[in-house]
Amino acid sequence: DTAVSQTPKYLVTQMGNDKSIKCEQNLGHDTMYWYKQDSKKFLKIMFSYNNKELIINETVPNRFSPKSPDKAHLNLHINSLELGDSAVYFCASSQDHFRVYSGYTFGSGTRLTVV
Amino acid sequence: AQTVTQSQPEMSVQEAETVTLSCTYDTSENNYYLFWYKQPPSRQMILVIRQEAYKQQNATENRFSVNFQKAAKSFSLKISDSQLGDTAMYFCAFVHNNNDMRFGAGTRLTVKP
Repeated sequence: DTAVSQTPKYLVTQMGNDKSIKCEQNLGHDTMYWYKQDSKKFLKIMFSYNNKELIINETVPNRFSPKSPDKAHLNLHINSLELGDSAVYFCASSQDHFRVYSGYTFGSGTRLTVV
Repeated sequence: AQTVTQSQPEMSVQEAETVTLSCTYDTSENNYYLFWYKQPPSRQMILVIRQEAYKQQNATENRFSVNFQKAAKSFSLKISDSQLGDTAMYFCAFVHNNNDMRFGAGTRLTVKP
């Protein structure tokens, strides 16, 4: 039973398209995150939601819009895709934003390729 | 802002030998948590070991142990009896309450047969 699951695992799309990545966790955690891993493997926080409420919004183009319908789901919608959006996107969760001693549990990532 | 530095972009080790990966961090916080994550070619992020800053005792998990030096803000990972399956990217990470986890740039470890 996958703890944090992301779909799709791979996504190839053309510039200018709009796409979504879905994330679900079955751990009962309150906080979920989106990270971007670039071609040099650097991981950078994009967004964080705590119990459906946005708590972290790093400097990310407003073409990226997260949506959390409930605390078990955090989806990422990207409008007008650009070549520079090509990366691996990771969803993660933690018990809550204060109890982080167990670390984050990560999904398996979504490799987005914009052509 | 907290920063995490991994000064070794790549390392290699012979199978069955020991290797140490370095990590330093910068923070003004007193209570925080440190982690090492492993990312094999499958790209899954796997938690290897964690350390709570207020605990002086170094964490160990089987062949993995850390050397946590709080005053020096250093958190190195030692892998003993290296195995081929240890080949991966290793990320050092820092988090404290009410903030997101920050990662170092990673160290690519290759275990050679």
